[in-house]
Amino acid sequence: QQQVKQSPQSLIVQKGGISIINCAYENTAFDYFPWYQQFPGKGPALLIAIRPDVSEKKEGRFTISFNKSAKQFSLHIMDSQPGDSATYFCAASKGGTASKLTFGTGTRLQVTL
Amino acid sequence: KAGVTQTPRYLIKTRGQQVTLSCSPISGHRSVSWYQQTPGQGLQFLFEYFSETQRNKGNFPGRFSGRQFSNSRSEMNVSTLELGDSALYLCASSDPGGYNEQFFGPGTRLTVL
Repeated sequence: QQQVKQSPQSLIVQKGGISIINCAYENTAFDYFPWYQQFPGKGPALLIAIRPDVSEKKEGRFTISFNKSAKQFSLHIMDSQPGDSATYFCAASKGGTASKLTFGTGTRLQVTL
Repeated sequence: KAGVTQTPRYLIKTRGQQVTLSCSPISGHRSVSWYQQTPGQGLQFLFEYFSETQRNKGNFPGRFSGRQFSNSRSEMNVSTLELGDSALYLCASSDPGGYNEQFFGPGTRLTVL
């Protein structure tokens, strides 16, 4: 049972554009929602994370929007750069910690010149 | 601080063999989690150790086991290897204080022939 659904599977954005990746979850007990960025040959790196007590969190060019009633959250990458080309994973966990993460299936982002 | 280190980085085994992977967490981090990453199943949680005790376990067969030492270093073992065990095995460490964010190592690429 896939508890976190991620879309799209792949995304091509022009340099300077906005990249948007969406995730939906089923388990209402989830209370921690991080986004990870993974480059080929590397492990996932934590980008930004949110908890359900806020609807939006921004760190630099990266913003998480969270809709608790719809059980959805999304990652927005503003002013996308070629260096942002990577695979992005959303994830979720429960119990007030980041342990035992349930990951989405990943989105391969390509930012073109 | 040095990041999470995993050894070896690459490993080739044959079916039926067993394998041991090692993970050294970030200094001061006492929690270590293991994940399996495959193209088909994505990132899946294996288990988490804290203070030498398994705290969480994912849905993997008993052939997958782990342990944690007093210095927080962790090992995972896979016995009776199957072709389907070919994957990138990722270790993540966290500090149970605060939000317990997971920081991943580069992974061990296991190929089972």
